[in-house]
Amino acid sequence: EVQLVESGGVVVQPGGSLRLSCAASGFTFDDYAMHWVRQAPGKGLEWVSLISWDGGSTYYADSVKGRFTISRDNSKNSLYLQMNSLRAEDTALYYCAKDSEVYGSGSYLHWGQGTLVTVSS
Amino acid sequence: EIVLTQSPDFQSVTPKEKVTITCRASQSIGSSLHWYQQKPDQSPKLLIKYASQSFSGVPSRFSGSGSGTDFTLTINSLEAEDAATYYCHQSSSLPRTFGQGTKVEIK
Repeated sequence: EVQLVESGGVVVQPGGSLRLSCAASGFTFDDYAMHWVRQAPGKGLEWVSLISWDGGSTYYADSVKGRFTISRDNSKNSLYLQMNSLRAEDTALYYCAKDSEVYGSGSYLHWGQGTLVTVSS
Repeated sequence: EIVLTQSPDFQSVTPKEKVTITCRASQSIGSSLHWYQQKPDQSPKLLIKYASQSFSGVPSRFSGSGSGTDFTLTINSLEAEDAATYYCHQSSSLPRTFGQGTKVEIK
């Protein structure tokens, strides 16, 4: 059974940093691209970032470019999101999602339960 | 950036009614359009991939159609458990984008 378990969400002050993690199991992790998708309270889904199967290609939404860094450790079946210079508008539930393709051009059949990031003073 | 516009934003429907949600892309995306269902306090669930491909585990009353810029999600004979917000999502180009969501309420 595919499982994605996010962690690392906390309350952080504006300008602060945070690293989210997503532990994957139940599938061959390095066969698939992975994504981060977020959802602000009461709002819709917003795609944040994509990393290819080998970590060689990464892409970001304009809203986080230059502040967030996606990475993965295939030896640990883990996905990460380093979040710097956090703003109030980054407050959201952050989901990791498994792509159906190696380079990230597919749909997201599997999602984690999300981890909540709150940016507030 | 490809903008996905869903309509309607909200729909109140009687059980057994047919529901139609549309998603219009700001430029052609071929068939790289997927539909998700999200219930309160749950993660999104994939319903339809590549515009019209269903798969096991998703009730047959859910179907999708369209290509290019215009897409439709149809729920035939709505059931109470279908109360949720539905999102379309494109994987044709970066950045990936989602529609704003359509909330379906059961009367």
